[in-house]
Amino acid sequence: QSVLTQPPSASGTPGQRVTISCSGSSSNIGSNYVYWYQQLPGTAPKLFIYRNNQRPSGVPDRFSGSKSGTSASLAISGLRSEDEADYYCAAWDDSLTAWVFGGGTKLTVL
Amino acid sequence: EVQLVESGGGLVQPGGSLRLSCAASGFTFSNYEMNWVRQAPGKGLEWISYISSGGSTIYYADSVKGRFTISRDNAKNSLCLQMNSLRAEDTAVYYCARAFTQQLGFDSWGQGTLVTVSS
Repeated sequence: QSVLTQPPSASGTPGQRVTISCSGSSSNIGSNYVYWYQQLPGTAPKLFIYRNNQRPSGVPDRFSGSKSGTSASLAISGLRSEDEADYYCAAWDDSLTAWVFGGGTKLTVL
Repeated sequence: EVQLVESGGGLVQPGGSLRLSCAASGFTFSNYEMNWVRQAPGKGLEWISYISSGGSTIYYADSVKGRFTISRDNAKNSLCLQMNSLRAEDTAVYYCARAFTQQLGFDSWGQGTLVTVSS
């Protein structure tokens, strides 16, 4: 059982806009930044969003992050086949004094 | 080019020990905070430990506290994870990941090393 809650799956067709949600609590998302990682099959995770809505260089601007209260979301517009991957949200938890991850969302491009 | 290369994984019996290493290159290792994150087969990511750039601040996940020890050698650009009293549920790919500061996220990860705990 993950501290942060994500839907196990999401899907969309090429060109569509898809949103992945991440729900937490006051001790993690509610009081700290949210991060998103993309993991392609068989590879290490890659940082895609940091500090709620910042994109590292090289990450397409089709990806955007947002946060409101104790929830966050990752939006992907203009969906492409190469976006098919697992996406994880993460945040620091002040009560646990630990990083916590969501269970991951498998994005399928139909 | 930034590189993080884990090593030391393998098959170990329950109750046994293993020492993982992460060799860093292509950046000033001593400026970066480091973490270990693991992923059980077919499962999600689980953060397990953090060490500050100078080594003075360390955190552990409750699941490994008292059994695992993180350490670093900035002179050798090396990060280690000593794992004792291993359990079947510790079976996972172990990644080292760096952060300039934790607030900037884990911006570079190694390729991972597989630890299998089984009799």
